[in-house]
Formats: sequence, C-alpha cells, structure tokens
Amino acid sequence: DVKVTQSSRYLVKRTGEKVFLECVQDMDHENMFWYRQDPGLGLRLIYFSYDVKMKEKGDIPEGYSVSREKKERFSLILESASTNQTSMYLCASSSRWEGTEAFFGQGTRLTVV
Amino acid sequence: AQRVTQPEKLLSVFKGAPVELKCNYSYSGSPELFWYVQYSRQRLQLLLRHISRESIKGFTADLNKGETSFHLKKPFAQEEDSAMYYCALSGLLSSGSARQLTFGSGTQLTVLP
Repeated sequence: DVKVTQSSRYLVKRTGEKVFLECVQDMDHENMFWYRQDPGLGLRLIYFSYDVKMKEKGDIPEGYSVSREKKERFSLILESASTNQTSMYLCASSSRWEGTEAFFGQGTRLTVV
Repeated sequence: AQRVTQPEKLLSVFKGAPVELKCNYSYSGSPELFWYVQYSRQRLQLLLRHISRESIKGFTADLNKGETSFHLKKPFAQEEDSAMYYCALSGLLSSGSARQLTFGSGTQLTVLP
C-alpha cells in the first residue's frame, strides 16, 4: 500500500515562530510537492522537488522554503509564521514518468495565532 | 505558465440526473490532464486521467484541445458522488527538468436525494 505520511495532523503555532512540516513517502518517487488548500482557492502549489537537493518555486512561494536532503523526505519551512499562513497543507509525491498519478498525504492543518 | 480554471465552486444535482463539471486549461505544450476527488474526511485521490481514456465510477472526461477543456461527465449521478472535485494539469517546465502539477480551485458537487 502506497504511503505519503505527513508528520502532524494538527499544529498550532505563534506568529513569528519557525515552523517545519515534514513529509515522507515510501514509493521511491522522484517528485514531491507541497500545496496549501484553502476554501474557494483550491490547491495552490508552494514548492516542488524533482530530485534530491533540487527544488522549483510554485505559484505562492513567498514566506516559505523547502528542503530535500533525502529522496523520501520533503520538508516545508515557514521562516516566520504569520496568521495568513493558517491553512491546510498537503504533501504529494509522484514518479517522474508521464501520466502517473500523484499520491497525497492526509494533510496538516496549521493554525497560526 | 500553466493554469487550470474550474468556473463552478458549487454544483448541486438530483440523484439520477446527468452531471458535468467544467474544466478549462491554459498551457502552451502538450498537456496531461487529470481529475482528482476528495470525499469527506478522506485524502485527495486520482479519479481519472486523460491518457488512459477510461471510465471510473461511471465518470468520463474527454480532452478537447481546440476548446482547451477537460470536462468531467456522468450520465446518472449517485449520492455517493458528493465530493470535492479538482481538475489538474501536469506540464513540462520550460527548462525541461520536471513537470509541474497545477490544480484548479475545485468544484463541490452535491447530489441530492
């Protein structure tokens, strides 16, 4: 059974804190993605990675950074959390082959107070 | 740049009625298109992909390159079809290094008894 696991289901952080969201996949996938999911806005891509230490900005990278030191792990970092980063964060992975599906984690609901 | 547009945020139909969820895309190359579904309290999961030309749970979608559309259709809606549906496009970056997966804003489908 394929698995994408996000380290936390719920997180509450204070404004200005540095926040780490972790994602691990066990499918040996090359691609990994971080999205935020907001009502009415759908899934917006923050960053993605297609190989270890390789990253590409998505549509809304401001205020975020990422790290991919190992193939199976992709971390999203909020350098200084703000209330407008309160959201549901979804991690996904896929192989590099065309037409393959992306597998999603269960999501992390982050609240910044 | 690649973009996916789902014009309807909410769609309600009665059980047994036909349903069509609209999706339009913008992409300069040859797109790969998908429909993903998220049932209540479940992970986002793949419903179907255009490359397979398959029917899943009675749903079909045809890629129309002339109209840049990939609408999702089902002739007879069921109550268990109630969910959030996302159209997605996988497009090659201009660098050729990777494929970016972009989602639309989603359509919440409610099938009424």
